[in-house]
Amino acid sequence: GENVEQHPSTLSVQEGDSAVIKCTYSDSASNYFPWYKQELGKGPQLIIDIRSNVGEKKDQRIAVTLNKTAKHFSLHITETQPEDSAVYFCAASQIVGSDSWGKFQFGAGTQVVVTP
Amino acid sequence: DAGVIQSPRHEVTEMGQEVTLRCKPISGHNSLFWYRQTMMRGLELLIYFNNNVPIDDSGMPEDRFSAKMPNASFSTLKIQPSEPRDSAVYFCASSRIRQGRNYGYTFGSGTRLTVV
Repeated sequence: GENVEQHPSTLSVQEGDSAVIKCTYSDSASNYFPWYKQELGKGPQLIIDIRSNVGEKKDQRIAVTLNKTAKHFSLHITETQPEDSAVYFCAASQIVGSDSWGKFQFGAGTQVVVTP
Repeated sequence: DAGVIQSPRHEVTEMGQEVTLRCKPISGHNSLFWYRQTMMRGLELLIYFNNNVPIDDSGMPEDRFSAKMPNASFSTLKIQPSEPRDSAVYFCASSRIRQGRNYGYTFGSGTRLTVV
């Protein structure tokens, strides 16, 4: 089955610096790669996602890149702020046909701490 | 939109008792997912449904766990009998896929289960 590895497990950055989290996946059939942010005591929230037919996607200070050949994708947060402190999860999954999910796997998570 | 609604928010039960967790997905979503989150194992996908049909239950830890989705607006995750190692936060998530695109993958607030 699909296996997703996420690095690093913890990341400390100074406010204003950039943060990068990397994930690798094993199943070449995976075609959808979301990133989630989980704050303490809350459920994960989708922050950005990318399909396999796209190499990069940006949303304000957040960007995701995908390298299908190497089977890895990364989350980039620029100009980090204290409110970016949270646990971030990557995932790899399949959208099968037009209206169904296929296999689904999450990374182990990265604890990001932004210090003022 | 009320989001994904889970109940109860907290559950404390004695070992051997039956536990039922409930989830109401977002109206119009056609997929539902049950997750378990622990410090040791992170976020694990237990089972997911597409259009009320269970697609993959390979993440269900053992026969003590069962999940049902009798209709598009309700799902249950049952543990019988419960054991202390089942203590975790259980999340439900729902999503809508249409024409190969994901519209809104949303997690509930979770149920914190403690088995003593």
